[in-house]
Amino acid sequence: QLQLQESGPGLVKPSETLSLTCSVSDGSISSSLYYWDWIRQSPEKGLEWIGSTHKTGDTFYKASLKSRITISVDTSKNQLSLRLSSVTAADTAVYFCARLVGMTTATTERRYDSWGQGTLVTVSS
Amino acid sequence: DIQMTQSPSSVSASVGDRVTITCRASQGVGNWLAWYQQKPGEAPKVLIYSASSLQSGVPSRFSGSGSGTDFTLTINSLQPEDFATYYCQQTMTFPLTFGGGTKVEIK
Repeated sequence: QLQLQESGPGLVKPSETLSLTCSVSDGSISSSLYYWDWIRQSPEKGLEWIGSTHKTGDTFYKASLKSRITISVDTSKNQLSLRLSSVTAADTAVYFCARLVGMTTATTERRYDSWGQGTLVTVSS
Repeated sequence: DIQMTQSPSSVSASVGDRVTITCRASQGVGNWLAWYQQKPGEAPKVLIYSASSLQSGVPSRFSGSGSGTDFTLTINSLQPEDFATYYCQQTMTFPLTFGGGTKVEIK
């Protein structure tokens, strides 16, 4: 069974860069079938998709974050990464990584079928 | 962005009840709609995709219907483990957007 595990600092200072890693086990991030996404959740904004990437480098970002966000896969480490620069308190949230099924097929069967447990990131000085 | 609006925001129900949650998209999304269940401290778990297809391993008391802009999640014969928050998500186009959630509480 595929497992995803987020890791990274739980506290980031305002204006600094948030960096998270999602380690994938019992499955390959190199599969051409899947995209790999970051989603965050806060009481203010609920569940919020922030970006998606494929091993080919095909990447999509939330428009309002595009100037600050980088998502990538490291196939040698079987990891997904997130970097979000110039953070503010509004970036405080639980961050989840998830596998997106159905992006590479012409069907409506798209959904997140595996999630990490989530990691809380607080932006505060 | 496509806005997803769920109603009600919360519902109180008893074990054995049928619960219906609705989700409306701000523009047509065809059948590009998924439903998730989330329990406190856990990640969401997919229940339904393509508006009405049951994810493998999910009990058959969960069902989804609808297309275009109006969708429904129905839980037949509510079980104790079903008390949770439910979210819809349009999967047609980026940014993939979620509804605000419906909390199913014990009456």
